[in-house]
Amino acid sequence: GENVEQHPSTLSVQEGDSAVIKCTYSDSASNYFPWYKQELGKRPQLIIDIRSNVGEKKDQRIAVTLNKTAKHFSLHITETQPEDSAVYFCAASGDEKLTFGTGTRLTIIP
Amino acid sequence: DAGITQSPRHKVTETGTPVTLRCHQTENHRYMYWYRQDPGHGLRLIHYSYGVKDTDKGEVSDGYSVSRSKTEDFLLTLESATSSQTSVYFCAISTSGQGVQPQHFGDGTRLSIL
Repeated sequence: GENVEQHPSTLSVQEGDSAVIKCTYSDSASNYFPWYKQELGKRPQLIIDIRSNVGEKKDQRIAVTLNKTAKHFSLHITETQPEDSAVYFCAASGDEKLTFGTGTRLTIIP
Repeated sequence: DAGITQSPRHKVTETGTPVTLRCHQTENHRYMYWYRQDPGHGLRLIHYSYGVKDTDKGEVSDGYSVSRSKTEDFLLTLESATSSQTSVYFCAISTSGQGVQPQHFGDGTRLSIL
């Protein structure tokens, strides 16, 4: 089955700087890669996703890049703000099931 | 909000007792999922359903059963709860369409087995 590794597990950045979270996946058949943000005590919320026919996708301050050859994808957050502090999860899927990474706790330092 | 309601939101029970968690959706989506979330493990799939009476196992299905007798309800049952099943349980639904579609989560159930 699919295996997703996520790094780093914790990340602290100065407010206004950029943050990058990276994930690798094992199954070359995976073709859908969502990212979720989870605030403390809340449900995971989808913030951006990408499919394998696209190399990059942007939505305001967040972007995701995908390298199918290397089987890795990354989340980029620019101009970070205090409200970006949360746990972020990547996931991969080639069918109706998602396999999640273990999460990155992002802390924005004011 | 994807129209998902989980109940109960919190539950404390004793080892060996049966527990049933309910996930209710209002938008007639075909796919429904149960995950557990534990520190250091992210979200792990327990069981999922792709229609009424159609269910399949996920990666951590041992000790859990599910039922889906109506499109809108997906039940997760712990027949005899153990302390290792203390966790936060999330239900998710997949919006309609062919192929892999985004999943949206309910607010979770915090379950403590003493």
